[in-house]
Amino acid sequence: EPEVTQTPSHQVTQMGQEVILRCVPISNHLYFYWYRQILGQKVEFLVSFYNNEISEKSEIFDDQFSVERPDGSNFTLKIRSTKLEDSAMYFCASSGQGQSNQPQHFGDGTRLSIL
Amino acid sequence: RKEVEQDPGPFNVPEGATVAFNCTYSNSASQSFFWYRQDCRKEPKLLMSVYSSGNEDGRFTAQLNRASQYISLLIRDSKLSDSATYLCVVNARRSGYSTLTFGKGTMLLVSP
Repeated sequence: EPEVTQTPSHQVTQMGQEVILRCVPISNHLYFYWYRQILGQKVEFLVSFYNNEISEKSEIFDDQFSVERPDGSNFTLKIRSTKLEDSAMYFCASSGQGQSNQPQHFGDGTRLSIL
Repeated sequence: RKEVEQDPGPFNVPEGATVAFNCTYSNSASQSFFWYRQDCRKEPKLLMSVYSSGNEDGRFTAQLNRASQYISLLIRDSKLSDSATYLCVVNARRSGYSTLTFGKGTMLLVSP
């Protein structure tokens, strides 16, 4: 079964540094998403991406964050000037279509630890 | 009021038990509903979509009551492998695009 893959599985970074989290969505999917989950808390939507542009973003997704699809397969989340509170699991997801009844398929996440 | 609210749990049940999870959502414009399961420190995995008429998949039955903005999941004959956190997930279209809103989840522990 096709799956969403994320790298790295664990990223440890000093506060203030920039990190790039990478995702390869399912190959025929057109809609891409980033979510985060702080330890012990619920999964939170960050951003959705379609047709090479952001289609929706949450209040969390401020100027510190950016997303990019640099080529035909990768989808990246960049976090600039990281803060301690950015420590979380970051999940990438994709769906074939944007209709609300289409389930999103999640990658196994990148655990980001900010020191 | 929280957007998606679930029983706080955890639920501790013996193998073979029937267990029910409840969920309420606040956005009446919500269009689609799902149950995901999440194992410890793993990604959410789709368990089943929830349809207005109710639907069943093996030991799992999901119900939706739009008037009450209430969703349920019933697990019959629970197995050890059902131990996980069950996430109620609601999809609402914002600005024409769908976004998932998650509940905090209810943990299920099935014991021998």
